[in-house]
Amino acid sequence: AQSVAQPEDQVNVAEGNPLTVKCTYSVSGNPYLFWYVQYPNRGLQFLLKYITGDNLVKGSYGFEAEFNKSQTSFHLKKPSALVSDSALYFCAVRDISNTGKLIFGQGTTLQVKP
Amino acid sequence: DADVTQTPRNRITKTGKRIMLECSQTKGHDRMYWYRQDPGLGLRLIYYSFDVKDINKGEISDGYSVSRQAQAKFSLSLESAIPNQTALYFCATSDPNDPAGELFFGEGSRLTVL
Repeated sequence: AQSVAQPEDQVNVAEGNPLTVKCTYSVSGNPYLFWYVQYPNRGLQFLLKYITGDNLVKGSYGFEAEFNKSQTSFHLKKPSALVSDSALYFCAVRDISNTGKLIFGQGTTLQVKP
Repeated sequence: DADVTQTPRNRITKTGKRIMLECSQTKGHDRMYWYRQDPGLGLRLIYYSFDVKDINKGEISDGYSVSRQAQAKFSLSLESAIPNQTALYFCATSDPNDPAGELFFGEGSRLTVL
């Protein structure tokens, strides 16, 4: 069965420091992986995705993610965190049945402190 | 205007009442989805639809029904609401012509069942 795990409920980082939000996946075949961000009282906004090719994917708001096939991971990163990055982050994998649906992780709350 | 619009944004109701959450989209996508978000559980798929005549159950469809009135409209109903259906509900769309495409989400409908 396909699944996504985000092992950390919350990540705390100081403004200006690098941040990492972890994600691991389990899927047969080649995965399509996604990161979304949810700000308070808002819907999910797409950040980036990995389809194929370069293992380092760049996305919106200065975020990037590193795909590691051997570790089945797709960690979200940013070199220098901003207070405004504080939000709930979701990792997701595309279902292999070609329905277009995404399977989501539990979510990780990122708290960036001044 | 938002590409995916959900109404109402917030609703408080009582146990046993019938509730309908509506979703409309201007993206021209055939595929539409209803997800439910609960803290610590991420997003779980309730129903999805590929077109007006194609409705499919997701992983947690019990207690819910849907109607696809047109390509642009997809409604979620709770025939007899119960307290454990208190959650944040999201509608989403995707482009079937983009096999690696992301989902586009509405702003969410927060439902509280007393």
